[in-house]
Formats: sequence, structure tokens, C-alpha cells
Amino acid sequence: DAKTTQPNSMESNEEEPVHLPCNHSTISGTDYIHWYRQLPSQGPEYVIHGLTSNVNNRMASLAIAEDRKSSTLILHRATLRDAAVYYCILRRSGYSTLTFGKGTMLLVSP
Amino acid sequence: DAGITQSPRHKVTETGTPVTLRCHQTENHRYMYWYRQDPGHGLRLIHYSYGVKDTDKGEVSDGYSVSRSKTEDFLLTLESATSSQTSVYFCAISESRDRVGPLHFGNGTRLTVT
Repeated sequence: DAKTTQPNSMESNEEEPVHLPCNHSTISGTDYIHWYRQLPSQGPEYVIHGLTSNVNNRMASLAIAEDRKSSTLILHRATLRDAAVYYCILRRSGYSTLTFGKGTMLLVSP
Repeated sequence: DAGITQSPRHKVTETGTPVTLRCHQTENHRYMYWYRQDPGHGLRLIHYSYGVKDTDKGEVSDGYSVSRSKTEDFLLTLESATSSQTSVYFCAISESRDRVGPLHFGNGTRLTVT
């Protein structure tokens, strides 16, 4: 599996935008970029995924670099509820499984 | 929440006893997964299923077996529980014909083996 690299932790203030980076320099053409988050004492929660184009949904935006070697998850206005561990994962088309790394712990201050 | 129910939510058992964890879904999704999560190791795949009676091993399958006799239920069995299997276990489901879509996770089962 292609690997991803994320910062161990990031901090943000409430109501400010948050940009969570992810590097995936060995990504292949059939790898989809997935983001999940895990709140304390809960299971992981799907956030967003994409292949080449930027994606938006009600939770976040995903910005994918033109060469696809990096991506950024954008939370437009952080809330205290967004404090979680965020995982950037590559899912290869045709493969059933998902491999989690250590993720980025996002701390949100009031 | 996706219709995923894990049972039990908490269990304490003794070393050497058999334990079965259940994952029940109401989404009629084809794929089901069992992960475990431990401090310092993150989430690791134990087994997964790609249809009724079709299962395969993940990266940490030793000491675990699974069964899927119907679409909605995926059982994880520890034949003889050990203290190293103390963990939080998460079930996940996915319905993605091209296997690129999202996984949806349950709320977990906290298992303690004493």
C-alpha cells in the first residue's frame, strides 16, 4: 500500500479555518484519497474522498495537488466538535481494504 | 449513523475462554470488516468479508476467526482469549461496487481479557 505522511498534531481556534495536510508521494493512478476522523471514544467517521479533482461536501473540502502527491483537508470553520484524530488514507481501486496510519490529532481551542 | 450495531458494547472475560463479537447491519452492504484499535498501533484490520461465506484475512488475523452466514451479520470469534487481545474492536461496512467508496464504522466493542 502507498503510504501517507501527516503531522502528529495541529492546533486551531474555534471558528477559524483549518488546513490539514497529507503527503502521499508514492500514490498510484488508481489510489483514491480518503479522509476519516475519529472523535474520542467513537468509531472512525468518513469525511470525504477524491481521486483527482477537488471535492466538497457538507463536512469539509478536499484539495488535491495537481501531481496528486499531496492533499489538504479543509474545515472551513472549526468547532470544538471537530477536535479529533484525522486520518488520510489511500484506497486502491479494486482492493477491499483500508489501512489506517497514525493520523493527525486536531486540537480546537475556544 | 449507518445502521451498524455491535454487541456487546463492553465485555470482560478470562484468559482461555471463547468470545464472540457480533456486528449487525441494516444497510444490506456487501463488505464487512473487523478492526482492532490499540494505543500505539492505531486501527488494524483483522478479517473482512466480501459476501456471504466469503471472508479473508487482514494483517492481524492470528487467534481470530470470522463467519458470515447472512448478509447482515459478521461474527468475530476469539477461540481462546488472551490478554493481548484486550482491545477495542470496530466493525465497518461498505457498499462500493468498485471498492473505492467509504467505510462506515460502528461504535466499537471494548473487550478486556483478564
